[in-house]
Amino acid sequence: NAGVTQTPKFQVLKTGQSMTLQCAQDMNHNSMYWYRQDPGMGLRLIYYSASEGTTDKGEVPNGYNVSRLNKREFSLRLESAAPSQTSVYFCAVVPGSGGIPDTQYFGPGTRLTVL
Amino acid sequence: GENVEQHPSTLSVQEGDSAVIKCTYSDSASNYFPWYKQELGKGPQLIIDIRSNVGEKKDQRIAVTLNKTAKHFSLHITETQPEDSAVYFCAAPISGYALNFGKGTSLLVTP
Repeated sequence: NAGVTQTPKFQVLKTGQSMTLQCAQDMNHNSMYWYRQDPGMGLRLIYYSASEGTTDKGEVPNGYNVSRLNKREFSLRLESAAPSQTSVYFCAVVPGSGGIPDTQYFGPGTRLTVL
Repeated sequence: GENVEQHPSTLSVQEGDSAVIKCTYSDSASNYFPWYKQELGKGPQLIIDIRSNVGEKKDQRIAVTLNKTAKHFSLHITETQPEDSAVYFCAAPISGYALNFGKGTSLLVTP
């Protein structure tokens, strides 16, 4: 049981390049989330998916797109990377479909550097 | 939206002492307050949470207290050990689904 997995673990991009961060879970949970973590800023919500087929914007969605491919997978895409997107990205999953707060299970993170 | 303030940003204690981290929130309708621990190079992990119908919850050396009137909640760690060294985050719900996290407290427990 891997829980929540994220790929890649590390990535270096040049300004303007695109890439997709992958998140997969084997916990059969409904809700999935993408956060970014910057020094001194805590975790900030980028996008979330309360259930398969739905996605919504979080606090800092600009410059990102997401796809909830199926119940297991939730990807985050940077179409044209900028240095301001240098960060550590975390995927999280929650048992419910929203409305009732519950434990969030986090993946190990992807460390992204944009030059 | 919910605004969560966390203090202190860094905390250093000697092994065996207690550590207290405090958070305040702005939305009086918030009803769920978790604490996450993040070790170096890993994702955050829930260590304890409290819902608004209770004032205190304990789990071995860890406790969380909630004061709804003052809109603050605190994490208490007793008999600290070096393995308690980590970054701790408080959080409160955003409209009942995602979480708004505090900026974190870096706790260092020295032997």
